[in-house]
Amino acid sequence: LAKTTQPISMDSYEGQEVNITCSHNNIATNDYITWYQQFPSQGPRFIIQGYKTKVTNEVASLFIPADRKSSTLSLPRVSLSDTAVYYCLVGGLNRDDKIIFGKGTRLHILP
Amino acid sequence: EPEVTQTPSHQVTQMGQEVILRCVPISNHLYFYWYRQILGQKVEFLVSFYNNEISEKSEIFDDQFSVERPDGSNFTLKIRSTKLEDSAMYFCASRTSASGRARYEQYFGPGTRLTVT
Repeated sequence: LAKTTQPISMDSYEGQEVNITCSHNNIATNDYITWYQQFPSQGPRFIIQGYKTKVTNEVASLFIPADRKSSTLSLPRVSLSDTAVYYCLVGGLNRDDKIIFGKGTRLHILP
Repeated sequence: EPEVTQTPSHQVTQMGQEVILRCVPISNHLYFYWYRQILGQKVEFLVSFYNNEISEKSEIFDDQFSVERPDGSNFTLKIRSTKLEDSAMYFCASRTSASGRARYEQYFGPGTRLTVT
């Protein structure tokens, strides 16, 4: 399983764009990069997944450079309700299908 | 939008008692999971289940734990004799039959908060 490193916590203000970067130096060729979000007292929620370049959906964008050794989750114009823990995960094909969650990044949005 | 549901939302039990946590996965999903999260700690994998049998289980999932899919819709986690350290949020998750990238696209329920006294 590819090890991931992401900041323990981040603060930002409402209306700002937030970028959370995750390092995964030993990512394998067949690995996908997946991000989850967890609000307090709720289950994790799948946000976005990508393999290379850029992926965008209604919630976020995911930027993956050519070497795939890192990825950046971008949340546009955050609001207070985006306060949550964000998990970066690497794996997928030819791996066990359990998810091993790390500590994630605790994002705190300030008014 | 289809979602995973779990009941009860909160269960209080005494040490040594049996509890059954219930989950209804998304209807066309075939892979099912239980995870738990002790307050303030990481989400931990317990067990995965496919085709009516356990695919994988963690060290946490000892003989006190069991899972069952008694019918076409429910997926249950039983703890035979609860301990204080079983107090946690228990999350059920499911995913489609697709392989590859979908392995990491799991849909989690809202959780059951288990309190063992």
